[in-house]
Amino acid sequence: DAGVTQSPTHLIKTRGQQVTLRCSPKSGHDTVSWYQQALGQGPQFIFQYYEEEERQRGNFPDRFSGHQFPNYSSELNVNALLLGDSALYLCASSLSPSGRRADTQYFGPGTRLTVL
Amino acid sequence: KNQVEQSPQSLIILEGKNCTLQCNYTVSPFSNLRWYKQDTGRGPVSLTIMTFSENTKSNGRYTATLDADTKQSSLHITASQLSDSASYICVVSSSGGYNKLIFGAGTRLAVHP
Repeated sequence: DAGVTQSPTHLIKTRGQQVTLRCSPKSGHDTVSWYQQALGQGPQFIFQYYEEEERQRGNFPDRFSGHQFPNYSSELNVNALLLGDSALYLCASSLSPSGRRADTQYFGPGTRLTVL
Repeated sequence: KNQVEQSPQSLIILEGKNCTLQCNYTVSPFSNLRWYKQDTGRGPVSLTIMTFSENTKSNGRYTATLDADTKQSSLHITASQLSDSASYICVVSSSGGYNKLIFGAGTRLAVHP
């Protein structure tokens, strides 16, 4: 049973460029959440996708966008990269977003993005 | 404002010793509290999860406590090992909406031989 997978593991871009990060959820999960984690900080919620729609969004500009595919995998796109976008980007999957019970989000290994 | 604060920010202990990490939160409405272990450059891994009605949960050498009245939680690590060196993140879930998680900044633990 594969866990959450992310690609690529590392990425180096320059300011102004665009980047796409990919995530495959744990088998049986249908909800994907994306987080940004700066060095030495806790993860910050970017957005969550369920049924191919963005259901909730954190305090991130429109440069950050996403997509969820019919197979529940997801992409995170960041346009016009800034130096401050350098971080570990984490994907987490869960079963349904309603959260009426204490379901657990499973995290992927992350993609380390460096913006020069 | 929903917040999760952890202390200490960092901690150094000797192998074999015990330690306790603290988490205070101001999240409402409260759904559950989780402790995650995160190795450097890796994704967080869940250690424990507690709902409002649970006040203690163990996972091997890790024991978490929850006081919902004072909105405090602790993670106790017994007989520490070198592999316990990591960041420990307290995460509170708010039941108001789509399973929103509020993360603490974490406690960085270093276990020395």
